Amino acid sequence: SAVISQKPSRDICQRGTSLTIQCQVDSQVTMMFWYRQQPGQSLTLIATANQGSEATYESGFVIDKFPISRPNLTFSTLTVSNMSPEDSSIYLCSVVGGQNTEAFFGQGTRLTVV
Amino acid sequence: EDQVTQSPEALRLQEGESSSLNCSYTVSGLRGLFWYRQDPGKGPEFLFTLYSAGEEKEKERLKATLTKKESFLHITAPKPEDSATYLCAASDSSASKIIFGSGTRLSIRP
Repeated sequence: SAVISQKPSRDICQRGTSLTIQCQVDSQVTMMFWYRQQPGQSLTLIATANQGSEATYESGFVIDKFPISRPNLTFSTLTVSNMSPEDSSIYLCSVVGGQNTEAFFGQGTRLTVV
Repeated sequence: EDQVTQSPEALRLQEGESSSLNCSYTVSGLRGLFWYRQDPGKGPEFLFTLYSAGEEKEKERLKATLTKKESFLHITAPKPEDSATYLCAASDSSASKIIFGSGTRLSIRP
C-alpha cells in the first residue's frame, strides 16, 4: 500500500480566499484522485490528475474553481478558489494500488470557510 | 448509471451482538468491490477487495462476502473499538474511477 501525506491537515479560511492542498505519495503513481466529503456525506470524486496532462473533472466540478497541478509522479495539489461556506468539507487525496484496483487515501484536509 | 447503495445508514449494537452491513451495487463489469473503515476526522482505511461472486475475505472480527448484486460485511462479536463508518465502493471494468456508497455508521455500546 502507498503512504500518502496531505498538508495542511485542517484550516479555517475567510470567504473569497483560496487554499492550496498538497498531496505527497511515497511511490510513483500514474493517477491521483481528489475527493470531497461534505459533513455526514460519502466521498464525491472531484477530478483525476494524470502527470503531464490536464486533470479530468467530474460533473459539477470545474477547473476555475478547483485547479489541480500534477508536476511529477509523486505529487499533486488541489486549490479551492474563491471559497464560500459551502466549500467547507474534508478534501481527500487518493491513489490506486499496485494491481490498479483498491484506492488508498491520505488523512484528508478539513476545511472550514467562515 | 453505476451506483452503490448501503444499508442501514446507521446501526447501533451491543458489544458482542453480531450483525451484517449491506452493499448493493449496479456496475457494468465489476472489476473490484471494496470495503473501507473511516474514523471521524480521518481518511478511509482500506479493509478488503472482492473480485468475483462467491469470494470471501476475513480480518479479525470482520468478514466480507460478495454475490452478483451485493456484498455483506459481517461483524462477529463486535467491540466498542469497531465503532466507525464503513464504506463500500466499486470500480467498473474500465477501472478509471471508484464509486462510493453513502456508508453505514456503526456504533457498538459497551
